[in-house]
Amino acid sequence: GESVGLHLPTLSVQEGDNSIINCAYSNSASDYFIWYKQESGKGPQFIIDIRSNMDKRQGQRVTVLLNKTVKHLSLQIAATQPGDSAVYFCAENGGAGGSYIPTFGRGTSLIVHP
Amino acid sequence: DAGVIQSPRHEVTEMGQEVTLRCKPISGHDYLFWYRQTMMRGLELLIYFNNNVPIDDSGMPEDRFSAKMPNASFSTLKIQPSEPRDSAVYFCASSASGQGSGYTFGSGTRLTVV
Repeated sequence: GESVGLHLPTLSVQEGDNSIINCAYSNSASDYFIWYKQESGKGPQFIIDIRSNMDKRQGQRVTVLLNKTVKHLSLQIAATQPGDSAVYFCAENGGAGGSYIPTFGRGTSLIVHP
Repeated sequence: DAGVIQSPRHEVTEMGQEVTLRCKPISGHDYLFWYRQTMMRGLELLIYFNNNVPIDDSGMPEDRFSAKMPNASFSTLKIQPSEPRDSAVYFCASSASGQGSGYTFGSGTRLTVV
């Protein structure tokens, strides 16, 4: 079966550094990808999304890159702050008929050291 | 809007007892999802509803699990009888049709079955 997965379960960085979280997907038909952030004791929260007709999208301090050739997705966080410490999930659209039913990866834990 | 509201936040119950988890979606959202999160399996979709109708319950692990959505503002997930392996965090999420960025999770119910 096809799945969404992450390369690194834990990423530790120093405050102020840039962070890069990677995600591999295997469903070549996926056309929409989303990154979520989950803080301790909370549900996942939307960060940024990207459609398959784009290869880069920028938000506030975050950039998502999509490489459809190798089916790879990454989330870049600039000037990482302690408040960025969380588990980050990538998700791909697994819905049919225009609905949005995300399939989540396992998650990467980002630890930011002050 | 207060977001997706789940209750209780924590539930500790004895094996064999019935457990009912509750969810109030965001007003106007026509999709409702139930997820289970564990360290071993990550976020798993259990079931989702569209306009109060169950669409896909293939993720429901066993007949011990059931979910209902009697109206647009309320859903329940019931486990009867509960078992220790059901211990997990259960999330409810809601969204409006076709809006991936509008996919909102509740804060979850942490279930412990002893």
